[in-house]
Amino acid sequence: GAGVSQTPSNKVTEKGKYVELRCDPISGHTALYWYRQSLGQGPEFLIYFQGTGAADDSGLPNDRFFAVRPEGSVSTLKIQRTERGDSAVYLCASSLGPREQQYFGPGTRLTVT
Amino acid sequence: GQQLNQSPQSMFIQEGEDVSMNCTSSSIFNTWLWYKQDPGEGPVLLIALYKAGELTSNGRLTAQFGITRKDSFLNISASIPSDVGIYFCAGPGGPQGAQKLVFGQGTRLTINP
Repeated sequence: GAGVSQTPSNKVTEKGKYVELRCDPISGHTALYWYRQSLGQGPEFLIYFQGTGAADDSGLPNDRFFAVRPEGSVSTLKIQRTERGDSAVYLCASSLGPREQQYFGPGTRLTVT
Repeated sequence: GQQLNQSPQSMFIQEGEDVSMNCTSSSIFNTWLWYKQDPGEGPVLLIALYKAGELTSNGRLTAQFGITRKDSFLNISASIPSDVGIYFCAGPGGPQGAQKLVFGQGTRLTINP
């Protein structure tokens, strides 16, 4: 079956603009995670969904970031008033359930100019 | 918060050589995970370790869960060109945050033909 997919693969935006990043998890996976990976670093946790609800959003850096998963499948990460420091690869992962193996998508590379 | 430190940060080896890398933590982990990331892709799980002292193999890869629960090692035998990539250790982010993973900063492996 298909793995985790993320769109777009690349996004270039100007400072101050709003962006949306989409994640399609593996079918049937109830848990979904967002991570951010800066250049030369490992992924850093942002938010975890179990079903439709955000079970842990402790990694969101500030209130410009929020994410939704309205039907318990596709998730959208939304960033308002983007800043150059937001430039990174945003990775999405899904798992069959909590504490199960996480499968990662290819990421969206966000560049804020 | 929990931090994972990987060494070395990068390795340059000849094809056919064995590779050894390690990961240390300031706090105890109950699970150790080793991932590999290729350019433009998300991390892929290589080996999972669940018990202190555990030694687990996956083909040419062998990983060990340190007896102190604060370290782990990954060895690759007889390296081949497709082993090139970045290797990350990871673990669950604490008892309340078992679903979120904490990653090391990675070991970049380069193989000279």
